[in-house]
Amino acid sequence: GQQLNQSPQSMFIQEGEDVSMNCTSSSIFNTWLWYKQDPGEGPVLLIALYKAGELTSNGRLTAQFGITRKDSFLNISASIPSDVGIYFCAAPVGGGSNYKLTFGKGTLLTVNP
Amino acid sequence: EAGVAQSPRYKIIEKRQSVAFWCNPISGHATLYWYQQILGQGPKLLIQFQNNGVVDDSQLPKDRFSAERLKGVDSTLKIQPAKLEDSAVYLCASSAAGAKTQYFGPGTRLLVL
Repeated sequence: GQQLNQSPQSMFIQEGEDVSMNCTSSSIFNTWLWYKQDPGEGPVLLIALYKAGELTSNGRLTAQFGITRKDSFLNISASIPSDVGIYFCAAPVGGGSNYKLTFGKGTLLTVNP
Repeated sequence: EAGVAQSPRYKIIEKRQSVAFWCNPISGHATLYWYQQILGQGPKLLIQFQNNGVVDDSQLPKDRFSAERLKGVDSTLKIQPAKLEDSAVYLCASSAAGAKTQYFGPGTRLLVL
């Protein structure tokens, strides 16, 4: 199937450190999405990537669409305590006017103040 | 712009009871999704609606789960009878027709005892 493999599964870092996580698949995708889920909340869209090689930033977050179209990366610079949460990569599958998302299992980020 | 609304936020029931969840998508979004998220996993699609029609319900356990979106706006998801393994977060998401990005509600946390 179109499985997304996220790594690492979890990270424990000190405030101020930079963070890198990635998502890989054996399938090719045309779009990569990154979501963050806070405890007790639904996922919130952080960044959407639509083109191979694309590098997009949202504040301290930067995401890249891998040139093979089989992977994507998310970096967080100068982490702060509110960065704590689960980060999911997702990719839409389908076509026409109907897409559904397949998700990775998430990377749990803990930031020590 | 108001986000996706869901209620209730929490529900505790005993096995074999029935339960219903409600979702109101972002105004104007034609596509509505229900996901199930088991602890430690990414969301898994249960059913997708385009307006008031079902696009994909291949992962919906139809012997006990049902969903409807009668007027093409809000939607309800029902479980009857509930099993212990139905304990999960039920997320509703919506997207504009043809869009690849989905926006999630806060979810309903269900505990089946």
